[in-house]
Amino acid sequence: DAKTTQPPSMDCAEGRAANLPCNHSTISGNEYVYWYRQIHSQGPQYIIHGLKNNETNEMASLIITEDRKSSTLILPHATLRDTAVYYCIVRVAETGGFKTIFGAGTRLFVKA
Amino acid sequence: NAGVMQNPRHLVRRRGQEARLRCSPMKGHSHVYWYRQLPEEGLKFMVYLQKENIIDESGMPKERFSAEFPKEGPSILRIQQVVRGDSAAYFCASSPPGAMRNTIYFGEGSWLTVV
Repeated sequence: DAKTTQPPSMDCAEGRAANLPCNHSTISGNEYVYWYRQIHSQGPQYIIHGLKNNETNEMASLIITEDRKSSTLILPHATLRDTAVYYCIVRVAETGGFKTIFGAGTRLFVKA
Repeated sequence: NAGVMQNPRHLVRRRGQEARLRCSPMKGHSHVYWYRQLPEEGLKFMVYLQKENIIDESGMPKERFSAEFPKEGPSILRIQQVVRGDSAAYFCASSPPGAMRNTIYFGEGSWLTVV
């Protein structure tokens, strides 16, 4: 699986959009981009994933650049409860859900 | 649809005792994963299992740790002769078969404290 690079921490004002970047310059054509988050003392939570088109669900939007070398997770109206560590992971879709490897992630602080 | 269920949520063991952590995957899920998270550290992959098979145990410590996912019943992570360094949160995750098997869903974790 391709390596990802994320900033270690970010701040966001409550009610504003939180834009979390992720670089994955070695991504292969068949690798998906996944985002998870972990709120303190809870199990990690799946947020969204995509291949090359932008994706949106009830939690967030995922914007993937045309060359697929980077992506941005957007929380449109961040709340205090969105304070968490956010993980960007790239995975091959066809070889199975083995061994999802979590990096250090980005620690997002949403401030009132 | 119930999520991934882990129990116990909190477990205290004395050094040298055994710890058994249980995980029931989401309904319809046939893949189970165990992760460990030491205090203030990241998630570390331990083992990946399907029913009655260990697929990848590359993250399991060589001694004292074992995992199983029997044909019937929950997956069990077993830690024998626990030491203080085993104190951690242990997360189980599951994923469905087929094309969506890369999306894994986590339980709320089991917190092991060794005294």
